[in-house]
Amino acid sequence: KAGVTQTPRYLIKTRGQQVTLSCSPISGHRSVSWYQQTPGQGLQFLFEYFSETQRNKGNFPGRFSGRQFSNSRSEMNVSTLELGDSALYLCASSAVSQETQYFGPGTRLLVL
Amino acid sequence: GQQLNQSPQSMFIQEGEDVSMNCTSSSIFNTWLWYKQDPGEGPVLLIALYKAGELTSNGRLTAQFGITRKDSFLNISASIPSDVGIYFCAGTRQGAQKLVFGQGTRLTINP
Repeated sequence: KAGVTQTPRYLIKTRGQQVTLSCSPISGHRSVSWYQQTPGQGLQFLFEYFSETQRNKGNFPGRFSGRQFSNSRSEMNVSTLELGDSALYLCASSAVSQETQYFGPGTRLLVL
Repeated sequence: GQQLNQSPQSMFIQEGEDVSMNCTSSSIFNTWLWYKQDPGEGPVLLIALYKAGELTSNGRLTAQFGITRKDSFLNISASIPSDVGIYFCAGTRQGAQKLVFGQGTRLTINP
């Protein structure tokens, strides 16, 4: 079974731009969670989608949003990028909401 | 914020030594997971624990779900250079639907 895939792997943007990241979960998994990882803050939970509905949300501003499609693929969008948004963005999938999660390789975002 | 206390934060050991790290919480957990993350990559699931007292091995790795359901430990025996990385514990609190993570243990091995 293929693992979690994320695209793109690397991205460079400038302040004020917006970005969309994509995540394809393991086949059959219906839950997708997103995390931001920075050296200073560790793994910070962004949100979780289950069957196209947002089930949990972390403490991030409204500039961070997401959605899930009927095939369980998920996208995350960050608008009006700030320098502090530079981070590794990780997606994880699980068969059941917030159960054992399997991570993708991440998207490294650099905001200049 | 994170609700798991993971220790130690970092370890510097010699190749061949055994390693032990743990996670504790004031809350009861239903699930404990241990992940390893290499630089620039996503965390990889090492061991999953679902029952209090459960002891599970994966090669040289052994993890246990504490009997009080408030802690878990991970042991690595006879460490090798590829064990270098950051190890995270994670768990699901009783009554919650959110996975919480420890701060990570950075393992460095001197050959």
